[in-house]
Amino acid sequence: GAVVSQHPSRVICKSGTSVKIECRSLDFQATTMFWYRQFPKQSLMLMATSNEGSKATYEQGVEKDKFLINHASLTLSTLTVTSAHPEDSSFYICSAPLAGGPHEQFFGPGTRLTVL
Amino acid sequence: AQKITQTQPGMFVQEKEAVTLDCTYDTSDQSYGLFWYKQPSSGEMIFLIYQGSYDEQNATEGRYSLNFQKARKSANLVISASQLGDSAMYFCAMREGVNRDDKIIFGKGTRLHILP
Repeated sequence: GAVVSQHPSRVICKSGTSVKIECRSLDFQATTMFWYRQFPKQSLMLMATSNEGSKATYEQGVEKDKFLINHASLTLSTLTVTSAHPEDSSFYICSAPLAGGPHEQFFGPGTRLTVL
Repeated sequence: AQKITQTQPGMFVQEKEAVTLDCTYDTSDQSYGLFWYKQPSSGEMIFLIYQGSYDEQNATEGRYSLNFQKARKSANLVISASQLGDSAMYFCAMREGVNRDDKIIFGKGTRLHILP
């Protein structure tokens, strides 16, 4: 149990376009999900906390107008990278806790974004 | 100031030897949780072990144990009898608070290489 999926696993887009990444909890409901980005050989940097039914909470330095987060249901959060540029190329990974369950967060497999 | 410090960017260890990965943390909260995750080259985040701030005994999970020294604010991961498959990136992480949906922040990681 407690499986999190992400779609797509890889995406290549042109500079200036927008890209949507989905994060789904497959067998549990998640009122909270987290979005991280990871540059090559670096750590996971928390971008924002996605809250079902309310606005996302962004970490300091993360542009909320550039990284739009929508948590439309108890099993789906989406991250939209708007007007993507090459510096947005990164590994984006989401996670979700299981309410009342184990302490760890369950991570999706990640999405590799490449902006040309 | 960094909340999670991992001072070993990389380590080389002979197969079958034990290895200790260092982690220190900084928090003023009384209630917090500490995690270790493994990230192989595939990018997936694999949960290894959890230690709560009020847990009196060190956590153990198979070959993994967490050497928790609360006064020193350290949470070192010990891997016994290392295997080639242990080669990966290892992240120490902390959650401030006791709620499952509190955010988790990560250290910079240690890349572990197991030598045959």
